[in-house]
Amino acid sequence: GNSVTQMEGPVTLSEEAFLTINCTYTATGYPSLFWYVQYPGEGLQLLLKATKADDKGSNKGFEATYRKETTSFHLEKGSVQVSDSAVYFCAPLSGGSNYKLTFGKGTLLTVNP
Amino acid sequence: DTGVSQDPRHKITKRGQNVTFRCDPISEHNRLYWYRQTLGQGPEFLTYFQNEAQLEKSRLLSDRFSAERPKGSFSTLEIQRTEQGDSAMYLCASSFQYEAFFGQGTRLTVV
Repeated sequence: GNSVTQMEGPVTLSEEAFLTINCTYTATGYPSLFWYVQYPGEGLQLLLKATKADDKGSNKGFEATYRKETTSFHLEKGSVQVSDSAVYFCAPLSGGSNYKLTFGKGTLLTVNP
Repeated sequence: DTGVSQDPRHKITKRGQNVTFRCDPISEHNRLYWYRQTLGQGPEFLTYFQNEAQLEKSRLLSDRFSAERPKGSFSTLEIQRTEQGDSAMYLCASSFQYEAFFGQGTRLTVV
């Protein structure tokens, strides 16, 4: 089955700092890749996605590029805000009989003013 | 609201009791998923429906757990004879193609 390795948290940054959260995966075939964000006490919200190699997903200032050769999908943001404080999950989705998202433990981000 | 809806949001139950959760997916989404999430962990897959057919069940889903999706619309997840280890957030998601959309979850506390 699929698996995900995410950068260990927690990550603590000051407002306007640059953010990188590393994600590598193993998956069958050529998965679609997703980043989800979870705010305290809430469900998961889709942040961005990429469905094929070299695609760049982007949303709300966050970006991630699908790197097939390194099986990575690192999340970046140039200038974080306090409101970005949340847990971030990377998740591959394979087709065929394994058509489900697989999540890692997530990375807790805290942004201080 | 046209998102995924879960009911109830919170449930406190005594050990040994049965509980049932409901999930209403986004209209016309043919796939529906149940996940379980404990504190500090990522969601763990429980089961998956395509329309009304339950296509996959995780080994995490013991005999005490059962899920249904009659007529391919809403879904229910029942836990019989609850145990303290069942305390978790139960998340439902639905999708049509690639993107899965999650509900707010049902937080279960077994006392």
